[in-house]
Amino acid sequence: GDSVTQMEGPVTLSEEAFLTINCTYTATGYPSLFWYVQYPGEGLQLLLKATKADDKGSNKGFEATYRKETTSFHLEKGSVQVSDSAVYFCALSYSGGGADGLTFGKGTHLIIQP
Amino acid sequence: ETGVTQTPRHLVMGMTNKKSLKCEQHLGHNAMYWYKQSAKKPLELMFVYNFKEQTENNSVPSRFSPECPNSSHLFLHLHTLQPEDSALYLCASSQGQGGATEAFFGQGTRLTVV
Repeated sequence: GDSVTQMEGPVTLSEEAFLTINCTYTATGYPSLFWYVQYPGEGLQLLLKATKADDKGSNKGFEATYRKETTSFHLEKGSVQVSDSAVYFCALSYSGGGADGLTFGKGTHLIIQP
Repeated sequence: ETGVTQTPRHLVMGMTNKKSLKCEQHLGHNAMYWYKQSAKKPLELMFVYNFKEQTENNSVPSRFSPECPNSSHLFLHLHTLQPEDSALYLCASSQGQGGATEAFFGQGTRLTVV
């Protein structure tokens, strides 16, 4: 079946450091890919998405590129802030989350220190 | 505020109790979902409803019983739960098949079974 693998962390960085959170997937078809973020005590919020190979999703300084050849969707940010501390989830869906639900990775806990 | 509201936010119940979780969405979506979030595990898709019809049940034990009376409301009825069912239960909605890709999540219900 389909699956998503991501580094679990916690990942601890200093403010203004460069961030990379790795995500790879296995899928039988050509899914859409997502990054969701969960702040303490809250539900998940969509951070960015990409629906086909070579698409780049971006939002709030975060970026991720859909790489079919390496089945990857790594999340990057050039300069992190304390407010970016959260849990980040990589996910895939065939209907783009339309009606089939999402397959998630285990989540990566990111801690940014001042 | 994501447009998806879950109640209660916290619930403690005994193994012989019967309780219900409620989810309401104000986004005009046609698809609704229940996910289970446990520590150290990926989010697990439990149930999918599309246009009020259940389209997916991911081998969830019968002690969890969903109900979707209309496209705006989703319930999860709980009875004779086990301590390992303690988790954060997240509701989500999306436009549904053929619609836009983004899923919106509620803040979740933190369930503790004693």
